[in-house]
Amino acid sequence: EDQVTQSPEALRLQEGESSSLNCSYTVSGLRGLFWYRQDPGKGPEFLFTLYSAGEEKEKERLKATLTKKESFLHITAPKPEDSATYLCAVQITGTASKLTFGTGTRLQVTL
Amino acid sequence: DAMVIQNPRYQVTQFGKPVTLSCSQTLNHNVMYWYQQKSSQAPKLLFHYYDKDFNNEADTPDNFQSRRPNTSFCFLDIRSPGLGDAAMYLCATSRIYNEQFFGPGTRLTVL
Repeated sequence: EDQVTQSPEALRLQEGESSSLNCSYTVSGLRGLFWYRQDPGKGPEFLFTLYSAGEEKEKERLKATLTKKESFLHITAPKPEDSATYLCAVQITGTASKLTFGTGTRLQVTL
Repeated sequence: DAMVIQNPRYQVTQFGKPVTLSCSQTLNHNVMYWYQQKSSQAPKLLFHYYDKDFNNEADTPDNFQSRRPNTSFCFLDIRSPGLGDAAMYLCATSRIYNEQFFGPGTRLTVL
């Protein structure tokens, strides 16, 4: 069965304290892996797409990487405005455009 | 700006009283999706349209129906809402195989 697991469930960081969020997946075939940010009461906001092992994408303080079994979202020197839930989703070959989501990592960055 | 719009943002209905949620997009994407998201859970795909082709998830209750009268609009009908249907309903759009863009969501309360 296709599975996406994110860890930790919740993470509290101080401003400037870098860390990584993990998304591990077990799927029959990966077409792409997507990262989203979701603020409370809002829809997910697209961050990155990764297609192949070794690929990396960066945006401001965020960097996403992909291996054959997992993806990491690295947050460098986070700020309070980075506080949100970060969702990982996979697109599986043979399932058209469908996404299978993990349950997310709830990130809180404090001063 | 191109976007995904959902109306209303908040909907309160009574147990068993039909409700319709709407979604429109200016992105001209050919795929539209409806997700249900409950508190602290991953978004759960209910169905999606590829152009006019409707694709229902196997575990989507019959109580949920959808219409897509044209490329820009999509509706979610809940025929007889139960207390368990209280959730955030998210609409998303994409080009096939590409990243999905989400609307702000409709928060449904069932009394």
